[in-house]
Amino acid sequence: DAGVIQSPRHEVTEMGQEVTLRCKPISGHDYLFWYRQTMMRGLELLIYFNNNVPIDDSGMPEDRFSAKMPNASFSTLKIQPSEPRDSAVYFCASSPGLAGVNEQFFGPGTRLTVL
Amino acid sequence: GQQVMQIPQYQHVQEGEDFTTYCNSSTTLSNIQWYKQRPGGHPVFLIQLVKSGEVKKQKRLTFQFGEAKKNSSLHITATQTTDVGTYFCAGRDSSYKLIFGSGTRLLVRP
Repeated sequence: DAGVIQSPRHEVTEMGQEVTLRCKPISGHDYLFWYRQTMMRGLELLIYFNNNVPIDDSGMPEDRFSAKMPNASFSTLKIQPSEPRDSAVYFCASSPGLAGVNEQFFGPGTRLTVL
Repeated sequence: GQQVMQIPQYQHVQEGEDFTTYCNSSTTLSNIQWYKQRPGGHPVFLIQLVKSGEVKKQKRLTFQFGEAKKNSSLHITATQTTDVGTYFCAGRDSSYKLIFGSGTRLLVRP
């Protein structure tokens, strides 16, 4: 298996632009997670899905952030409009079962820079 | 909400020296997982501890889960340059989310 796939790997955009990050989880994994990593705040869980359904989005910073999972093999995290403080590495992870019970497999991440 | 704290934040050791990172939770944990993130990389799962007082070993790495299930440690014996990275503990909360600690960044001088 190729593991969790994320695209793009790097994104540089200007403040106010829309940004869409993409993730393909490992086939057969029922759980998908979006994390954000910064030096100041560490690794933060933004939202997670179970069988394509959003379960907990309490970590989503504000209404500018939205996430979808239209099918079992694809998810997007969208930021509209983007702001400089959104600059971070965004990781997608998938898991075959409940978080904390099963290990999470992380993708390589998308490094987002908002100018 | 649940918080997971890790110390130290950084540790710089000479190759061959031992290294330990500590993880403490504000609440009792159901289990704890450890991950390693190499510079520029992504977190990679190392191990999971479930039982009170559990000790597990992986070659030079020793993981412990406290008796009260509120703390954990990772000890590396005789560090090597390949051990460089950030080590995260992650505890499971009541809603099955993983709460990641702040991480300990290990630097090894050759």
